[in-house]
Amino acid sequence: KAGVTQTPRYLIKTRGQQVTLSCSPISGHRSVSWYQQTPGQGLQFLFEYFSETQRNKGNFPGRFSGRQFSNSRSEMNVSTLELGDSALYLCASKKELGQAHSGNTIYFGEGSWLTVV
Amino acid sequence: AQSVSQHNHHVILSEAASLELGCNYSYGGTVNLFWYVQYPGQHLQLLLKYFSGDPLVKGIKGFEAEFIKSKFSFNLRKPSVQWSDTAEYFCAVTDNQGGKLIFGQGTELSVKP
Repeated sequence: KAGVTQTPRYLIKTRGQQVTLSCSPISGHRSVSWYQQTPGQGLQFLFEYFSETQRNKGNFPGRFSGRQFSNSRSEMNVSTLELGDSALYLCASKKELGQAHSGNTIYFGEGSWLTVV
Repeated sequence: AQSVSQHNHHVILSEAASLELGCNYSYGGTVNLFWYVQYPGQHLQLLLKYFSGDPLVKGIKGFEAEFIKSKFSFNLRKPSVQWSDTAEYFCAVTDNQGGKLIFGQGTELSVKP
């Protein structure tokens, strides 16, 4: 069973540009969430999508956005890139088995390494 | 707001030593608790999880954790570490809906052979 797949794995962008990252969740998983990992701030939640709707949002500026498609695949976009956006961006997915269900474990992809120069 | 605190930033142990990594969370409602591990150059992997029931949970690779509700703690333990346990360990919590993980700062574990 394939895991969470993220593309691209590595990319370099220039300040002011925008970037789009893609995520394919585990088959059958309907929730997709995104996290930013940096040495200084650690792992921070960006947003979560379920049934093509944003269900949760973290404390990031509006330059960070995302969407989910009908096949549960998701993309996140960062516009007007800043040097501080350099990070590992992680996508995660989970099934939706009802509240407090132990099967609702969140599984992570390998991440997309973004360097802004 | 939920928050997670991991007490140790960097732990250095010799092989065969016992390990305990502290984790405390702040949240008034029902929580689900997790420990994830990130080996060098690899993605986050689930070590173990607590949703309900027995507060002592066992995970992969000989790890276990105990949920103590009165102390808002979920400490990770392993009786005897190996060099291959060198990694960064993250404690995390979600609420009952489970869609948003709040992570601790992480603990870097270095095991000397």
